[in-house]
Amino acid sequence: EAQVTQNPRYLITVTGKKLTVTCSQNMNHEYMSWYRQDPGLGLRQIYYSMNVEVTDKGDVPEGYKVSRKEKRNFPLILESPSPNQTSLYFCASSHWTAGNEQFFGPGTRLTVL
Amino acid sequence: QKEVEQNSGPLSVPEGAIASLNCTYSDRGSQSFFWYRQYSGKSPELIMSIYSNGDKEDGRFTAQLNKASQYVSLLIRDSQPSDSATYLCAVMIYNQGGKLIFGQGTELSVKP
Repeated sequence: EAQVTQNPRYLITVTGKKLTVTCSQNMNHEYMSWYRQDPGLGLRQIYYSMNVEVTDKGDVPEGYKVSRKEKRNFPLILESPSPNQTSLYFCASSHWTAGNEQFFGPGTRLTVL
Repeated sequence: QKEVEQNSGPLSVPEGAIASLNCTYSDRGSQSFFWYRQYSGKSPELIMSIYSNGDKEDGRFTAQLNKASQYVSLLIRDSQPSDSATYLCAVMIYNQGGKLIFGQGTELSVKP
């Protein structure tokens, strides 16, 4: 089954404790992206990657890191989480064509205390 | 001015009516336009994509794009209660390296 998976789905952590949210897709997509969704602010792009070893900042990259060492994986790293990073996070992937129709993962709900 | 703007709603329509959702964007470098549907607590799912001026129809859904006016819309004909969701407009800006910008979303409620 073609899908984007994220782990964990739910996470409660404390300020300053490094964490990684994994994202994996099995569709051989070139383009992968991370978003956060907050009430009243909609979906905002954090980072995106157009292919292996190619990443770029989205609208809200501060406090996040990403890496793209393999085509299928695009982990999101919070080196020192803070309460303002409490949010719902989505990973998405697509083929890098004029269409770029993105498939979303199920989401990760992160709470930073 | 936000790069992609939508009325947040809620937009309420009776079952069987046409629901009209609107979106404006500010960057003339925008080249691809998408409508996603998101049910509460779920991830967004793509409904329609449109790349050139005019209308594109898929079942009960019609997307309309007017690049001169920087306007994209989604019409839902014969609205059903199952269409009640938040609809997100998204714009791909290729001259910014492939950044995808979403609007805030419009909440649609279809009343039986």
